[in-house]
Amino acid sequence: SAVISQKPSRDICQRGTSLTIQCQVDSQVTMMFWYRQQPGQSLTLIATANQGSEATYESGFVIDKFPISRPNLTFSTLTVSNMSPEDSSIYLCSATPRSGGSSYNEQFFGPGTRLTVL
Amino acid sequence: AQKITQTQPGMFVQEKEAVTLDCTYDTSDQSYGLFWYKQPSSGEMIFLIYQGSYDEQNATEGRYSLNFQKARKSANLVISASQLGDSAMYFCAMRGGRVYRGSQGNLIFGKGTKLSVKP
Repeated sequence: SAVISQKPSRDICQRGTSLTIQCQVDSQVTMMFWYRQQPGQSLTLIATANQGSEATYESGFVIDKFPISRPNLTFSTLTVSNMSPEDSSIYLCSATPRSGGSSYNEQFFGPGTRLTVL
Repeated sequence: AQKITQTQPGMFVQEKEAVTLDCTYDTSDQSYGLFWYKQPSSGEMIFLIYQGSYDEQNATEGRYSLNFQKARKSANLVISASQLGDSAMYFCAMRGGRVYRGSQGNLIFGKGTKLSVKP
């Protein structure tokens, strides 16, 4: 299994500012994902963080609003830019372990970053 | 398009009894995987159990078992001997066949079921 940590665990931010969330995995992983969970809702995929290339964004999410970096196989960041109260959510980092065989029966999540925008 | 449906927004169960949380899915892929996660009020997503579409046996992990009925496209979670600590949101999710063709393998989630265990 993989252990995933996120920083910060929570934050309260002012409208118009930006916040960068860090995700660290304790082992090399193939795929890293960023999800958003709005209050009382399910998880929605924001983007897939690709190592060495630009992230792949889902419909409704754009790079200018949610820039993502993935400099190596164990680390990624998500920035929430020009925040508004509608961005108040839990942001979750997720990863699929890397293995020679099929590891697609595993996907682990970080503890989440609880963001409140005033 | 792939879709996960959880029709029970909330469920109550008496402590020590068993409970079944429903999940149906829709996919045209032959290869796929089904997951269940538990999310307590702290917000973390805890992996519970996995079922592959080609697995002949229903998956079990301790008190959790998955009632997989492929023809009906259902993957219900059964929790036996409920405990107070089982009170949480439960999400059913699917990883589609795209991953088996070397593409991205993100999870698609249902809306979740809030389980409350009564003492």
